[in-house]
Amino acid sequence: SQQGEEDPQALSIQEGENATMNCSYKTSINNLQWYRQNSGRGLVHLILIRSNEREKHSGRLRVTLDTSKKSSSLLITASRAADTASYFCATDRNQFYFGTGTSLTVIP
Amino acid sequence: EPEVTQTPSHQVTQMGQEVILRCVPISNHLYFYWYRQILGQKVEFLVSFYNNEISEKSEIFDDQFSVERPDGSNFTLKIRSTKLEDSAMYFCASSEPILPGQGNNQPQHFGDGTRLSIL
Repeated sequence: SQQGEEDPQALSIQEGENATMNCSYKTSINNLQWYRQNSGRGLVHLILIRSNEREKHSGRLRVTLDTSKKSSSLLITASRAADTASYFCATDRNQFYFGTGTSLTVIP
Repeated sequence: EPEVTQTPSHQVTQMGQEVILRCVPISNHLYFYWYRQILGQKVEFLVSFYNNEISEKSEIFDDQFSVERPDGSNFTLKIRSTKLEDSAMYFCASSEPILPGQGNNQPQHFGDGTRLSIL
C-alpha cells in the first residue's frame, strides 16, 4: 500500500509551543503534500515538497523529507489555538493517498 | 479566493435509492476528484477525471459509481443502489493541470463535502 501514515495519532500542546508531526510511507514518491482538516470541513492544502527537496518553509510551517527513510515531518512553530485540526500527509503515484492523520489540539 | 462548492451539504437517502452529489470546481481547474471519508477514518481516493474521462479510479469505485461533467461547471458523482456502508462524507476536489511525469504535483482544492446518510 502506498498510504502515508502519520504519528502521533493525537497531540495536545499549549499555545506558543511547537508541534511536530511525522509521516511515513512505503513506496517511492514524486511529491508529498501536507493538508489540514478542521472538524466537518474539507481538506486545506498546506505545503508540497518534491522528492528532490529536503526541506521547505511556509510561514510557521517547516516540512522535511527524507526519501531514504521514506518519511516526512511537519513542524508548526509558535502554535495558536486556531491550529487545532487534523493534519494529513498525502503521497502520490498516480492516485493520491492520504494517511490517517494527526489530531492536533492547541490549548489556549 | 475561488473555492470548490458542493451541494447538498447533507443528503439523506433510503437504502437502494440512487443519489447524485454535485460539485462546482474552481473555474480554471482541469483535474477533478472525488474522495470519501467514512466517519473517523482516513480520506479515501475514489476517482480522478480529466479531459472528460476518468483518468484513475480506486477499487472502491466499482460499477455502483459513476462521474460526469454534464456542463462546463458541474462535476457530479452518482451512486446507484445505495447501501448502508455508503454513508460517509464525500469530498470533491479540483486542481490545476498536472505536469506530466511529475506525479500529482499540484495542490488539490477541496470542497466542504456532502454528508451522505443512508437509512
